[in-house]
Amino acid sequence: DAKTTQPPSMDCAEGRAANLPCNHSTISGNEYVYWYRQIHSQGPQYIIHGLKNNETNEMASLIITEDRKSSTLILPHATLRDTAVYYCIVREGSSNQGGKLIFGQGTELSVKP
Amino acid sequence: ETGVTQTPRHLVMGMTNKKSLKCEQHLGHNAMYWYKQSAKKPLELMFVYSLEERVENNSVPSRFSPECPNSSHLFLHLHTLQPEDSALYLCASSRGVGWTGRIYGYTFGSGTRLTVV
Repeated sequence: DAKTTQPPSMDCAEGRAANLPCNHSTISGNEYVYWYRQIHSQGPQYIIHGLKNNETNEMASLIITEDRKSSTLILPHATLRDTAVYYCIVREGSSNQGGKLIFGQGTELSVKP
Repeated sequence: ETGVTQTPRHLVMGMTNKKSLKCEQHLGHNAMYWYKQSAKKPLELMFVYSLEERVENNSVPSRFSPECPNSSHLFLHLHTLQPEDSALYLCASSRGVGWTGRIYGYTFGSGTRLTVV
């Protein structure tokens, strides 16, 4: 079962920041937080991941709370092409058997003009 | 192009047919995966291969038979499927099953849209 909870859907105005929350209250010390997105009828695309520090790349920023029980994915200037389902996944990274990606329902983000 | 190529993109097959889905990766990855995505459902992990050896089979019916002849190729052989097997089948690869490096986690193909009639 997925170890994360996300709102099923969110809207965002084009050009504004999209803030997608994720709860992972049972996360353990060696589990990373991964974010992927899936544009309609395509394969999921990696966005970003982190352990406990905030992370930023060319696509997004990831803010992880100090207790690591929740995180927020930030798309700083959302465009229409960011409309997709966004998945927050916690994943163990320390063993050959524990590193699988298990997807939940995700958040369906709709960016509107 | 993601570096993971799946063929065919679309497939319609009868319940008595035998067909195969193909996945090829050019990323030098050591692990490959099959996922199934049915309408309105999360992606379901079906099979995991690490260094060409199957390391996980998530209670998938025997009418789905995976094959990994080398680290670059993965097949899913299909026979006597049911209409409820209609779904998007996605292949993914990674540098290792436990890989957490900054080199982008899993890379997915675009999937094969399968319709069983």
